[in-house]
Amino acid sequence: DTEVTQTPKHLVMGMTNKKSLKCEQHMGHRAMYWYKQKAKKPPELMFVYSYEKLSINESVPSRFSPECPNSSLLNLHLHALQPEDSALYLCASSQLVNYGYTFGSGTRLTVV
Amino acid sequence: GIQVEQSPPDLILQEGANSTLRCNFSDSVNNLQWFHQNPWGQLINLFYIPSGTKQNGRLSATTVATERYSLLYISSSQTTDSGVYFCAVNTGTASKLTFGTGTRLQVTL
Repeated sequence: DTEVTQTPKHLVMGMTNKKSLKCEQHMGHRAMYWYKQKAKKPPELMFVYSYEKLSINESVPSRFSPECPNSSLLNLHLHALQPEDSALYLCASSQLVNYGYTFGSGTRLTVV
Repeated sequence: GIQVEQSPPDLILQEGANSTLRCNFSDSVNNLQWFHQNPWGQLINLFYIPSGTKQNGRLSATTVATERYSLLYISSSQTTDSGVYFCAVNTGTASKLTFGTGTRLQVTL
């Protein structure tokens, strides 16, 4: 299995809602990542988990809360988002820091 | 932080044409990857190429690490090659994969 699976593919949520994005990989990778991509821009790093511990938080607002329950799963909990948080959210994994990254197909989030 | 610039920003080709995309980076890198992002947003890994040359079918890539650039060659382009091409790099021991500015490619019939 050489895939990173993200669910849901599309999500529309109100500003008072709580929702979660899920990411799963079964490649034995020990690093997992959340990226955010706005339209016509490159992806930007949000969080890095290494060996299930948060190692990088790129000054992301607290309304985004990551969680790594085990080495195969990565969640992103969303609460009280703003319309400007609408974007494509991409999950990725890698064996180690300087090995190739594999990306999921993303969750397209719209905040209304 | 490291700066990653890609050129050209936009490219329109007729089917069957060849093209070269360039990625310049401002510091030494340990990892360089080329990705193709299709219209649905999927980032597809094309090459892991911190140095040297690799080929995969109609695509090939060369990274000259000492001169801080990488090239992606697309030969005999097809409409399915349309999308955005990103290079992305890691430096040192950082886990942060930094993406370039992207090249938007449109292949027409």
